[in-house]
Amino acid sequence: DGGITQSPKYLFRKEGQNVTLSCEQNLNHDAMYWYRQDPGQGLRLIYYSQIVNDFQKGDIAEGYSVSREKKESFPLTVTSAQKNPTAFYLCASSRGSGGSTDTQYFGPGTRLTVL
Amino acid sequence: AQSVSQHNHHVILSEAASLELGCNYSYGGTVNLFWYVQYPGQHLQLLLKYFSGDPLVKGIKGFEAEFIKSKFSFNLRKPSVQWSDTAEYFCAVNSGDTGNQFYFGTGTSLTVIP
Repeated sequence: DGGITQSPKYLFRKEGQNVTLSCEQNLNHDAMYWYRQDPGQGLRLIYYSQIVNDFQKGDIAEGYSVSREKKESFPLTVTSAQKNPTAFYLCASSRGSGGSTDTQYFGPGTRLTVL
Repeated sequence: AQSVSQHNHHVILSEAASLELGCNYSYGGTVNLFWYVQYPGQHLQLLLKYFSGDPLVKGIKGFEAEFIKSKFSFNLRKPSVQWSDTAEYFCAVNSGDTGNQFYFGTGTSLTVIP
Protein backbone atom coordinates (compact mmCIF):
# COMPACT_ATOMS: atom_id res chain seq x y z
CA ASP A 1 0.00 0.00 0.00
CA GLY A 2 1.91 3.04 -1.28
CA GLY A 3 1.71 6.47 0.24
CA ILE A 4 2.90 8.95 2.77
CA THR A 5 2.64 8.32 6.48
CA GLN A 6 2.92 10.86 9.24
CA SER A 7 3.06 10.06 12.89
CA PRO A 8 1.66 10.71 15.32
CA LYS A 9 -1.74 12.08 14.29
CA TYR A 10 -1.98 14.22 17.42
CA LEU A 11 0.94 15.49 19.45
CA PHE A 12 1.03 17.49 22.65
CA ARG A 13 4.13 19.16 24.03
CA LYS A 14 5.01 21.59 26.73
CA GLU A 15 6.25 25.02 25.80
CA GLY A 16 10.03 25.15 25.47
CA GLN A 17 10.43 21.55 24.34
CA ASN A 18 11.66 20.52 20.93
CA VAL A 19 9.49 17.99 19.10
CA THR A 20 10.12 15.93 15.97
CA LEU A 21 7.38 15.04 13.49
CA SER A 22 7.84 11.98 11.35
CA CYS A 23 7.20 11.70 7.61
CA GLU A 24 7.84 8.57 5.57
CA GLN A 25 7.03 7.83 1.93
CA ASN A 26 7.29 4.64 -0.10
CA LEU A 27 6.51 6.24 -3.45
CA ASN A 28 10.19 6.43 -4.44
CA HIS A 29 9.83 10.19 -4.75
CA ASP A 30 12.92 12.38 -4.75
CA ALA A 31 11.30 15.55 -3.43
CA MET A 32 9.69 16.01 -0.03
CA TYR A 33 8.05 19.02 1.62
CA TRP A 34 6.77 20.28 4.94
CA TYR A 35 3.85 22.71 5.16
CA ARG A 36 2.07 24.34 8.01
CA GLN A 37 -1.69 24.82 7.73
CA ASP A 38 -3.44 27.47 9.82
CA PRO A 39 -7.10 28.51 9.49
CA GLY A 40 -7.53 31.18 6.81
CA GLN A 41 -3.87 31.07 5.77
CA GLY A 42 -3.77 28.02 3.55
CA LEU A 43 -0.56 26.02 3.28
CA ARG A 44 2.73 27.71 3.98
CA LEU A 45 6.00 26.03 3.02
CA ILE A 46 8.44 25.40 5.85
CA TYR A 47 11.20 23.35 4.19
CA TYR A 48 11.61 21.23 1.11
CA SER A 49 14.16 18.75 -0.13
CA GLN A 50 14.80 17.81 -3.73
CA ILE A 51 17.32 15.09 -3.02
CA VAL A 52 18.91 13.18 -0.15
CA ASN A 53 21.23 15.24 2.04
CA ASP A 54 19.95 18.51 0.58
CA PHE A 55 17.13 20.81 1.65
CA GLN A 56 16.03 24.43 1.25
CA LYS A 57 14.16 26.86 3.46
CA GLY A 58 10.65 27.73 2.54
CA ASP A 59 8.71 30.86 3.43
CA ILE A 60 8.47 30.22 7.19
CA ALA A 61 11.57 28.20 8.15
CA GLU A 62 12.43 30.10 11.33
CA GLY A 63 12.15 27.91 14.40
CA TYR A 64 12.16 24.68 12.41
CA SER A 65 14.83 22.25 11.29
CA VAL A 66 14.87 19.21 9.00
CA SER A 67 17.14 16.41 7.85
CA ARG A 68 17.10 14.21 4.78
CA GLU A 69 19.42 11.29 5.44
CA LYS A 70 17.26 8.77 3.59
CA LYS A 71 15.18 9.16 0.44
CA GLU A 72 12.02 7.91 2.14
CA SER A 73 12.24 10.00 5.31
CA PHE A 74 12.04 13.75 5.98
CA PRO A 75 11.56 14.47 9.71
CA LEU A 76 10.69 17.97 10.90
CA THR A 77 11.82 19.31 14.27
CA VAL A 78 9.82 22.12 15.80
CA THR A 79 12.24 23.88 18.12
CA SER A 80 11.58 26.01 21.16
CA ALA A 81 12.50 29.03 19.01
CA GLN A 82 9.26 28.70 17.02
CA LYS A 83 7.03 31.34 18.55
CA ASN A 84 3.67 29.90 17.59
CA PRO A 85 4.12 26.16 17.01
CA THR A 86 0.53 25.01 17.55
CA ALA A 87 -0.70 24.10 14.06
CA PHE A 88 -1.52 21.33 11.62
CA TYR A 89 1.61 20.08 9.84
CA LEU A 90 1.45 18.44 6.43
CA CYS A 91 4.15 16.46 4.69
CA ALA A 92 4.12 15.98 0.93
CA SER A 93 6.25 14.34 -1.71
CA SER A 94 6.64 14.50 -5.47
CA ARG A 95 8.76 12.80 -8.11
CA GLY A 96 10.91 15.90 -8.30
CA SER A 97 11.09 16.16 -12.06
CA GLY A 98 12.03 19.82 -11.88
CA GLY A 99 8.53 21.19 -12.07
CA SER A 100 7.65 20.29 -15.66
CA THR A 101 4.98 17.75 -14.81
CA ASP A 102 5.43 17.29 -11.09
CA THR A 103 2.53 16.61 -8.73
CA GLN A 104 2.52 16.68 -4.94
CA TYR A 105 0.92 14.00 -2.82
CA PHE A 106 0.11 14.61 0.82
CA GLY A 107 0.21 12.68 4.07
CA PRO A 108 -2.62 12.74 6.63
CA GLY A 109 -0.97 15.42 8.76
CA THR A 110 0.03 15.84 12.40
CA ARG A 111 -1.81 18.23 14.68
CA LEU A 112 0.66 19.69 17.16
CA THR A 113 -0.56 21.43 20.28
CA VAL A 114 1.91 23.18 22.53
CA LEU A 115 0.61 23.72 26.03
CA ALA B 1 7.83 34.64 -5.59
CA GLN B 2 4.58 33.56 -7.08
CA SER B 3 1.27 34.17 -5.36
CA VAL B 4 -2.07 32.46 -5.63
CA SER B 5 -5.37 34.16 -4.78
CA GLN B 6 -8.60 32.45 -3.90
CA HIS B 7 -11.15 35.20 -3.50
CA ASN B 8 -13.98 33.11 -2.12
CA HIS B 9 -13.10 32.27 1.46
CA HIS B 10 -16.34 30.60 2.41
CA VAL B 11 -19.09 29.45 0.06
CA ILE B 12 -22.45 28.02 1.09
CA LEU B 13 -24.63 26.30 -1.50
CA SER B 14 -27.71 24.13 -1.59
CA GLU B 15 -27.50 20.69 -3.15
CA ALA B 16 -27.82 20.71 -6.95
CA ALA B 17 -26.56 24.29 -7.20
CA SER B 18 -23.70 25.04 -9.56
CA LEU B 19 -20.26 25.80 -8.18
CA GLU B 20 -17.47 28.04 -9.37
CA LEU B 21 -14.44 28.76 -7.19
CA GLY B 22 -12.00 31.40 -8.33
CA CYS B 23 -8.22 31.02 -8.51
CA ASN B 24 -5.78 33.58 -9.85
CA TYR B 25 -2.00 33.40 -9.90
CA SER B 26 0.68 35.99 -10.39
CA TYR B 27 3.34 34.37 -12.57
CA GLY B 28 3.48 35.22 -16.27
CA GLY B 29 5.53 32.28 -17.50
CA THR B 30 4.67 28.65 -18.06
CA VAL B 31 2.79 27.24 -15.10
CA ASN B 32 1.38 23.98 -13.83
CA LEU B 33 -1.92 24.33 -12.03
CA PHE B 34 -3.66 22.15 -9.46
CA TRP B 35 -6.78 21.91 -7.38
CA TYR B 36 -6.69 19.92 -4.16
CA VAL B 37 -9.58 19.03 -1.86
CA GLN B 38 -9.51 18.35 1.87
CA TYR B 39 -12.63 16.60 3.16
CA PRO B 40 -13.34 16.91 6.89
CA GLY B 41 -10.88 14.76 8.81
CA GLN B 42 -9.08 13.59 5.68
CA HIS B 43 -5.83 14.49 4.00
CA LEU B 44 -5.39 16.66 0.94
CA GLN B 45 -6.28 14.89 -2.28
CA LEU B 46 -5.60 15.90 -5.86
CA LEU B 47 -8.81 16.87 -7.71
CA LEU B 48 -7.30 17.77 -11.04
CA LYS B 49 -4.22 19.27 -12.67
CA TYR B 50 -3.22 21.17 -15.78
CA PHE B 51 0.18 20.94 -17.40
CA SER B 52 -0.46 21.71 -21.07
CA GLY B 53 -2.89 21.08 -23.91
CA ASP B 54 -6.67 21.43 -23.63
CA PRO B 55 -7.30 24.27 -21.16
CA LEU B 56 -10.47 22.59 -19.93
CA VAL B 57 -9.41 19.90 -17.49
CA LYS B 58 -11.71 17.27 -16.06
CA GLY B 59 -11.00 15.77 -12.66
CA ILE B 60 -12.54 13.35 -10.23
CA LYS B 61 -16.09 13.50 -8.87
CA GLY B 62 -17.44 15.62 -11.72
CA PHE B 63 -15.15 18.60 -11.15
CA GLU B 64 -13.54 20.53 -13.97
CA ALA B 65 -11.35 23.60 -14.26
CA GLU B 66 -10.57 25.99 -17.06
CA PHE B 67 -7.15 27.57 -17.58
CA ILE B 68 -7.47 31.06 -19.04
CA LYS B 69 -3.95 32.28 -19.63
CA SER B 70 -4.94 35.86 -20.46
CA LYS B 71 -6.70 36.16 -17.11
CA PHE B 72 -4.10 34.20 -15.08
CA SER B 73 -7.00 32.13 -13.82
CA PHE B 74 -7.80 28.49 -13.15
CA ASN B 75 -11.34 28.42 -11.81
CA LEU B 76 -12.89 25.23 -10.49
CA ARG B 77 -16.44 24.30 -11.52
CA LYS B 78 -19.05 21.67 -10.87
CA PRO B 79 -22.51 21.84 -12.45
CA SER B 80 -24.39 20.28 -9.53
CA VAL B 81 -22.92 19.96 -6.05
CA GLN B 82 -23.72 17.30 -3.51
CA TRP B 83 -23.63 17.33 0.28
CA SER B 84 -20.52 15.14 0.08
CA ASP B 85 -18.66 17.98 -1.69
CA THR B 86 -18.48 19.84 1.61
CA ALA B 87 -14.75 20.38 2.04
CA GLU B 88 -11.93 22.86 1.78
CA TYR B 89 -10.53 23.48 -1.70
CA PHE B 90 -7.02 24.69 -2.46
CA CYS B 91 -5.59 25.99 -5.68
CA ALA B 92 -1.83 25.54 -6.27
CA VAL B 93 0.72 26.60 -8.85
CA ASN B 94 4.24 25.66 -9.76
CA SER B 95 6.49 26.28 -12.71
CA GLY B 96 9.81 25.20 -14.07
CA ASP B 97 11.30 28.46 -12.85
CA THR B 98 10.52 27.62 -9.24
CA GLY B 99 11.76 24.08 -9.51
CA ASN B 100 9.94 21.89 -7.07
CA GLN B 101 8.36 24.70 -5.08
CA PHE B 102 4.58 24.82 -5.11
CA TYR B 103 2.49 27.84 -4.11
CA PHE B 104 -0.93 27.43 -2.53
CA GLY B 105 -3.90 29.72 -2.16
CA THR B 106 -5.48 30.30 1.23
CA GLY B 107 -8.29 27.89 0.48
CA THR B 108 -12.06 28.08 0.04
CA SER B 109 -14.34 26.37 2.50
CA LEU B 110 -17.43 24.96 0.75
CA THR B 111 -20.50 23.98 2.72
CA VAL B 112 -23.29 22.21 0.84
CA ILE B 113 -26.67 22.21 2.54
CA PRO B 114 -28.84 19.13 1.90
